[in-house]
Amino acid sequence: EAGVAQSPRYKIIEKRQSVAFWCNPISGHATLYWYQQILGQGPKLLIQFQNNGVVDDSQLPKDRFSAERLKGVDSTLKIQPAKLEDSAVYLCASKAGLLETQYFGPGTRLLVL
Amino acid sequence: SQQGEEDPQALSIQEGENATMNCSYKTSINNLQWYRQNSGRGLVHLILIRSNEREKHSGRLRVTLDTSKKSSSLLITASRAADTASYFCATDDAGNNRKLIWGLGTSLAVNP
Repeated sequence: EAGVAQSPRYKIIEKRQSVAFWCNPISGHATLYWYQQILGQGPKLLIQFQNNGVVDDSQLPKDRFSAERLKGVDSTLKIQPAKLEDSAVYLCASKAGLLETQYFGPGTRLLVL
Repeated sequence: SQQGEEDPQALSIQEGENATMNCSYKTSINNLQWYRQNSGRGLVHLILIRSNEREKHSGRLRVTLDTSKKSSSLLITASRAADTASYFCATDDAGNNRKLIWGLGTSLAVNP
């Protein structure tokens, strides 16, 4: 079974620029998560989708971050405009139904200069 | 928000030794999960222990859970260089839409 795919793997931008990340979850997984992981810390949930609906976006900085999952499959996370403190690894994870295990992609490492 | 606190923050051992990591949490949980993260990679699920379980084994891994102390431990026996990674505990929060709340992780170095 193919895992969670993310692209790009690395991105370097200047502050105030925009950036978008893409995630393709495991086929059939209805739940999709975006996490931000700052160096030396654990993942922080940004947004959780159930199919194409948002379940939890309480920690998403909505003034600059947006995410969508239009057809309930792939998802994109956008930052506009980026700040220095957005430098982190952005992880996408998916989960099937009522099972508890989340499956993670390799992440996108973002550096904002 | 971060809930779990792992200790130690960093651990360095020799191959063949056992490694023990601890995790403490604050709220009621449905389950507690341990994940491993190799440098620059995504997280890999290792083991899940439910709130009504006290101990669980998977290969060289042994997890214990003490809900009265709100703590868990992960023991890796007969460690290998390939076990070098960061280890995170994550709690399935019983009262918060069941989202995972993550600790800060323990960085384990296994020296050959």
